[in-house]
This record gives sequence, structure tokens and C-alpha cells, in this order.
Amino acid sequence: DGGITQSPKYLFRKEGQNVTLSCEQNLNHDAMYWYRQDPGQGLRLIYYSQIVNDFQKGDIAEGYSVSREKKESFPLTVTSAQKNPTAFYLCASSIDGSSYNSPLHFGNGTRLTVT
Amino acid sequence: DAKTTQPNSMESNEEEPVHLPCNHSTISGTDYIHWYRQLPSQGPEYVIHGLTSNVNNRMASLAIAEDRKSSTLILHRATLRDAAVYYCILRLRIVTNAGKSTFGDGTTLTVKP
Repeated sequence: DGGITQSPKYLFRKEGQNVTLSCEQNLNHDAMYWYRQDPGQGLRLIYYSQIVNDFQKGDIAEGYSVSREKKESFPLTVTSAQKNPTAFYLCASSIDGSSYNSPLHFGNGTRLTVT
Repeated sequence: DAKTTQPNSMESNEEEPVHLPCNHSTISGTDYIHWYRQLPSQGPEYVIHGLTSNVNNRMASLAIAEDRKSSTLILHRATLRDAAVYYCILRLRIVTNAGKSTFGDGTTLTVKP
């Protein structure tokens, strides 16, 4: 079945370390997104990519970096510059980024805890 | 950016219809209205979307006001599995044509047996 795979489900890191979250999709979607969710709150957009080798900052990009070298993959690096990195991170994709008619498909998230 | 406003929580009885409201008074003409729902510790799941006309699918119905400033998600017969946080979002068209979307805090639906 096609879908989005995020790994790992739980991730623990020490403060000051960079960490990379994986997101892979086999839906053949052009657009991919990273969201952050804090307890009891909605989703906030970190970065999005409409096409390979292109990505744009979302609302809360500071302290994060991404790459989009392959259509299927959109890894997110949480750097030591991110002041409050502990959160639930969600990756999503859509058929293409310019079609706001297309639904978002989400992975099941990675819960990152930094101590 | 256009924002949506939803009640924090709603309750329903099992097997009764549920109407979940959403206000989006600053919606622009090209914004699509999308609904998603999220179970604890899972990613959101797509429910339904529309532009101007009412929409139906196997999961729910979407009623859109004539002026498009509000919409209502209708679950025709709530089940315990429908208990979730429901998000109403606008799929925005921005200058770079990316489908940027803004999520609010959603409505937590509780279904009572």
C-alpha cells in the first residue's frame, strides 16, 4: 500500500546535538511538508517542498533544515539552534504543491524528546 | 494568512448526527476548505474538502455557506471511532503557488456511548 513512512516513532537526544528525522513516501507525490505539533495545539508548518531540489520556509523554520534530493524523501534536521525541539513532528505530502485542491497525506509522526 | 476558527470541544451521542462548525471569514476566492481528523499520537487523516458546493463522501458531508465564510462538517451517525480532534483548514494559494495550509487548534469531539 502507498503511504508515508516516518522513522523512528520515538527519538531521544541530548541538548546540543543535531538530529535528522526521516520521511519517505511511495505515493509519487511532488510536494512534501514538515509540521510541528506541541501538546494540545494544532500543526505549524516548518518547511515545504513543491519539487525535487526546491524547498521553502514555513512559519517556524528557524533552527531546522531540510533537503529534497529525491522525490521520495524529505528529511528534516533539527539543529542545536532550535530552542525548544521537543515536539511531535509530522511529515505530509500532496500530489503537487500548486494544486490546493489536493488533500494532504500524513505519516504517523516522530516524537522527539531532547533533554 | 486566512485563518479558521473552531469550537474547542463538542460532545455527541453514539449513532446521532454531529455538526462541526468552522468560521473562515477572511477566505479568498481560490481557497479550498479541507477537513482532517487526528487520533492521539497519529498523523491527521483527510476527511473531505470543497470549494463552493456541498460535498459528500463515504466518511462525511461538507456544507459550505453561500458566502463561504463558514462551513460545517456533518457526521451522519457518530460512532466511538469518530472521537478525534477535527481540523478545518484552508488550502491557501500563495505567490509561489505552494499549497501552504494553516492548522488551528481544532475541535475535540467526544462521542458518548
